[in-house]
Amino acid sequence: SAVISQKPSRDICQRGTSLTIQCQVDSQVTMMFWYRQQPGQSLTLIATANQGSEATYESGFVIDKFPISRPNLTFSTLTVSNMSPEDSSIYLCSVRGQDGETQYFGPGTRLLVL
Amino acid sequence: GDSVTQMEGPVTLSEEACLTINCTYTATGYPSLFWYVQYPGEGLQLLLKATKADDKGSNKGFEATYRKETTSFHLEKGSVQVSDSAVYFCAFNNFNKFYFGSGTKLNVKP
Repeated sequence: SAVISQKPSRDICQRGTSLTIQCQVDSQVTMMFWYRQQPGQSLTLIATANQGSEATYESGFVIDKFPISRPNLTFSTLTVSNMSPEDSSIYLCSVRGQDGETQYFGPGTRLLVL
Repeated sequence: GDSVTQMEGPVTLSEEACLTINCTYTATGYPSLFWYVQYPGEGLQLLLKATKADDKGSNKGFEATYRKETTSFHLEKGSVQVSDSAVYFCAFNNFNKFYFGSGTKLNVKP
């Protein structure tokens, strides 16, 4: 299994500002995934980030709102831009395990936008 | 399309009671099936998985059997503990895409 860390673990932000979330993995991985979990809800995939290429966004998510960087095989960032209260969620970083199937998750970043 | 249907919660049980959380899936092909657990304030942790029909995944006293004929993967535990209080997600991976259920919150009272 992979060990994944995220920073910050939680934050309270003002409307209109941006927050960058960092994700660090203890091994090299090809694909990293960013999910959003709204309060009391299941997980929704925001985008898939491959090293050296543009992230692939799911329907309903756009690069201007959620820019992603993937500078190397162990690190990625997700920025939540121009935040509104509707962006209050848990943001989870995830990677695929060596079996190519199992997904492993970071501890999440709990974001509250006022 | 592909989807996961999970028993709605919350489920409230007394300590040492038996647990079953129902999960059924709709998928083309033969996906691998998973249960994840999310403890309060934490991310998702893999609880168990099964990769083919009739496989039984097990971990920490929890079990689930891949039933292809009923497209189900129900989570069971014979005797729950207060520390099992969490949200449980059923999921599957089909053609490299992950599908999650809506989650079932379990409250175990002493």
